[in-house]
Amino acid sequence: EAGVVQSPRYKIIEKKQPVAFWCNPISGHNTLYWYLQNLGQGPELLIRYENEEAVDDSQLPKDRFSAERLKGVDSTLKIQPAELGDSAVYLCASSFRVYNEQFFGPGTRLTVL
Amino acid sequence: AQSVTQPDIHITVSEGASLELRCNYSYGATPYLFWYVQSPGQGLQLLLKYFSGDTLVQGIKGFEAEFKRSQSSFNLRKPSVHWSDAAEYFCAVGAQSNTGNQFYFGTGTSLTVIP
Repeated sequence: EAGVVQSPRYKIIEKKQPVAFWCNPISGHNTLYWYLQNLGQGPELLIRYENEEAVDDSQLPKDRFSAERLKGVDSTLKIQPAELGDSAVYLCASSFRVYNEQFFGPGTRLTVL
Repeated sequence: AQSVTQPDIHITVSEGASLELRCNYSYGATPYLFWYVQSPGQGLQLLLKYFSGDTLVQGIKGFEAEFKRSQSSFNLRKPSVHWSDAAEYFCAVGAQSNTGNQFYFGTGTSLTVIP
């Protein structure tokens, strides 16, 4: 069974540029999560989807961040425009239901110059 | 306020020694508890989980954890550490509350294993 797939693995951009991350969850997993992880910190939830509905986006900076999960399968997280402080690892995870174990992708390491 | 605390930022143990990583939580509802491990440059991997039942749970790679409701703790243990266990360990808590479903990670404990 394939795991959670994320792309790209690494991204370097200049500030004020847009960037997008893609995530394909494990087949059959209804719940999808996007996390932000800063160096030396635990993951912080940005947004959680149940099927195609964003049920928890309270920590998503909506002035520059957006996300979508069309058809309730794969998802895209976008930042526009990127700021220096957005440099971090962006993790995607999925689970069959919320509170079931989450399976994580390898993450996308974003560097904003 | 609801929280997950991992008091030890960094722990160093000798290979073959026993290990205990601490996790404390503060939630009003019955929590779902998890331990994850993250190797450098990798995503998080689930070691074990507690939902209900036996308070001592076994996980992968020889790890176990014990849920102690009276102490609000879910400490991770391993009787004999291997060099490959060097990694970052995260405790996580999920809970249902009046304000909705919530899931939080602790700040992590970095484990160094010396020969």
